[in-house]
Amino acid sequence: AQSVAQPEDQVNVAEGNPLTVKCTYSVSGNPYLFWYVQYPNRGLQFLLKYITGDNLVKGSYGFEAEFNKSQTSFHLKKPSALVSDSALYFCAVREGGGFKTIFGAGTRLFVKA
Amino acid sequence: ETGVTQTPRHLVMGMTNKKSLKCEQHLGHNAMYWYKQSAKKPLELMFVYNFKEQTENNSVPSRFSPECPNSSHLFLHLHTLQPEDSALYLCASSQDGLAGGLSTDTQYFGPGTRLTVL
Repeated sequence: AQSVAQPEDQVNVAEGNPLTVKCTYSVSGNPYLFWYVQYPNRGLQFLLKYITGDNLVKGSYGFEAEFNKSQTSFHLKKPSALVSDSALYFCAVREGGGFKTIFGAGTRLFVKA
Repeated sequence: ETGVTQTPRHLVMGMTNKKSLKCEQHLGHNAMYWYKQSAKKPLELMFVYNFKEQTENNSVPSRFSPECPNSSHLFLHLHTLQPEDSALYLCASSQDGLAGGLSTDTQYFGPGTRLTVL
């Protein structure tokens, strides 16, 4: 069965510092991996995805994520955090060819000025 | 967010009421989804429709009844709900690669309907 774990409920980082939001996954077939962001009173917005190819994926707003097959991880990173990055971040996994996407519980990111 | 719209944005209903949530996507996608987002719980997939056919029903109680009249519209009919059904209900769409079409696998979400059951 597919599953996603986001081990941190909350991540705090100072503006200008690098940030990492962690995600590990479990899926029986080839994983399709996604990061979404949710701002208050809004739906989820797509940030980036890994389907195949280069393990380092670049996405919107300067975010990137690295697919690590041996560690079954897909951590989200940004070299320099902005206060406006403060939001709820969701990691998601989908088994290739299926329709069911499983979302993690979310990690709330606070960027302090 | 204009790609996927949801109405109403807020809804308060009693346990004996009947109401419907509406979702419309303007992206030409072939798959649509209903999710439930409750406080401090992971996003829960409720229903999936692909080319108007329901392909997933994630053990959702019968008091929630989906309807997908065409690929652009999705409804969630509600009746005799319970207070624990209060949540943010999110609609999403995607273009999936069946029938040789381009697959993005990325889901595009609407802003959600905040439902409160009294």
